[in-house]
Amino acid sequence: GNSVTQMEGPVTLSEEAFLTINCTYTATGYPSLFWYVQYPGEGLQLLLKATKADDKGSNKGFEATYRKETTSFHLEKGSVQVSDSAVYFCALSKGGGGNKLTFGTGTQLKVEL
Amino acid sequence: EAGVAQSPRYKIIEKRQSVAFWCNPISGHATLYWYQQILGQGPKLLIQFQNNGVVDDSQLPKDRFSAERLKGVDSTLKIQPAKLEDSAVYLCASSVGSAGGLDTQYFGPGTRLTVL
Repeated sequence: GNSVTQMEGPVTLSEEAFLTINCTYTATGYPSLFWYVQYPGEGLQLLLKATKADDKGSNKGFEATYRKETTSFHLEKGSVQVSDSAVYFCALSKGGGGNKLTFGTGTQLKVEL
Repeated sequence: EAGVAQSPRYKIIEKRQSVAFWCNPISGHATLYWYQQILGQGPKLLIQFQNNGVVDDSQLPKDRFSAERLKGVDSTLKIQPAKLEDSAVYLCASSVGSAGGLDTQYFGPGTRLTVL
C-alpha cells in the first residue's frame, strides 16, 4: 500500500538557519505530493504541493521538488524564522475519485532566536 | 470565507461511554473527510463522503464508529462504546469535490478526545 516516511523530530534550529526535512514515499503509479503545516493550536494547512515528477512546489519561502527517481519530496527553506515553528507533515494522494491523503508521522520544527 | 468548523474542541469521557463530534464544512464543498490523529502519528482517514454518500470507509472501525452526513452538508462522527485507544484528535476536512480531480483539503481545528 501507499506510505510516507519522514525524518523524526524535533528539529531545533537557530533563526536564519537552513532547513531540510526529509520525506520519502512508497506508492504505485504517480501520486501527488504535499506538505502540510500545523501551527500550535491550529488546524492543518496546505503549505505546498506537486502533482508530477520534477515539479517544484513553493510557498512562503519553502520549496520541495518531486523526485520520482528517489521517491522523495524533501522540504527546504533557506532561512527559517521563529514563526516557522510548527509540525510539518508530508503526504501523498493518488487523486481521482478518492483523493485520500496518506500522511507521514510529522516532524516538529523549533526555531530559536 | 469561513473555514471548517468543528465542535467540541475538547472532550473527556470514560471508557465504554459514547461520544459524538460535529463538523460543518466550507460552504459549497461536496467532499467531507474525517481523520483520526493519534499522538505522534500522522492523520489517518476514517471516512470520506461525497455529498451524502460514502466514498471510502475502509479504515472505519464499524463495530464502534459511525458517521453520517445528512443533506450533504454537516456531518457527525460517533463512537460507541469508546475504548482507551480511541484517544486522539479527530480532524474534519472538506474539499470542493471535483470529479476525478485533485482537490485541496481544508482542515478544521480538530476535536481532542481523551478516554479515561
